[in-house]
Amino acid sequence: SQQGEEDPQALSIQEGENATMNCSYKTSINNLQWYRQNSGRGLVHLILIRSNEREKHSGRLRVTLDTSKKSSSLLITASRAADTASYFCATVGYSGGGADGLTFGKGTHLIIQP
Amino acid sequence: ETGVTQSPTHLIKTRGQQVTLRCSSQSGHNTVSWYQQALGQGPQFIFQYYREEENGRGNFPPRFSGLQFPNYSSELNVNALELDDSALYLCASSPRTGLSVLHEQFFGPGTRLTVL
Repeated sequence: SQQGEEDPQALSIQEGENATMNCSYKTSINNLQWYRQNSGRGLVHLILIRSNEREKHSGRLRVTLDTSKKSSSLLITASRAADTASYFCATVGYSGGGADGLTFGKGTHLIIQP
Repeated sequence: ETGVTQSPTHLIKTRGQQVTLRCSSQSGHNTVSWYQQALGQGPQFIFQYYREEENGRGNFPPRFSGLQFPNYSSELNVNALELDDSALYLCASSPRTGLSVLHEQFFGPGTRLTVL
């Protein structure tokens, strides 16, 4: 079963604009990760934020985490056509010594219009 | 450094058949996880292998089984294929020290399985 939901399901913006995607989850987590997937192929890790962190930056990416609301957001600034992809949040829980794998949401499909 | 590789790229099987998918982990990574991704959905965790043993499992029936070899490569076997098994199967590797895989995972390109 899916841990949570990304919002929106689909987002279309103009090149150069900022894109914001949100993720909600249901259970306590150790960390939350964001991945990108191009055209139904393999996923690429973007950024990991631990439960004791509130904000993290990596290049044009900014991730926030609010554990009290069980939510996270991914901001992509100055978007480019190459950013067109599906974006997934994934959580790692505390149970089973970390052997539960990643629990993914359904993803946000981002389209950058040139 | 070689990334995660999977074979084959595409596969077509008929209902009731058996299939084996293969994965080579990234150099230095001792943990391999398998995920199933249905069309339009996020990946779902099948199981994870560490030190050649299944180390965690998602909500998948026993007809989904696996192996990990001493070189950390892995196989996913699915018996008695059903139409709903049609999906993209993703393998991911990660380093593991001590307790847990709490790190980023490195995914292969996937195997697209179609069951007719």
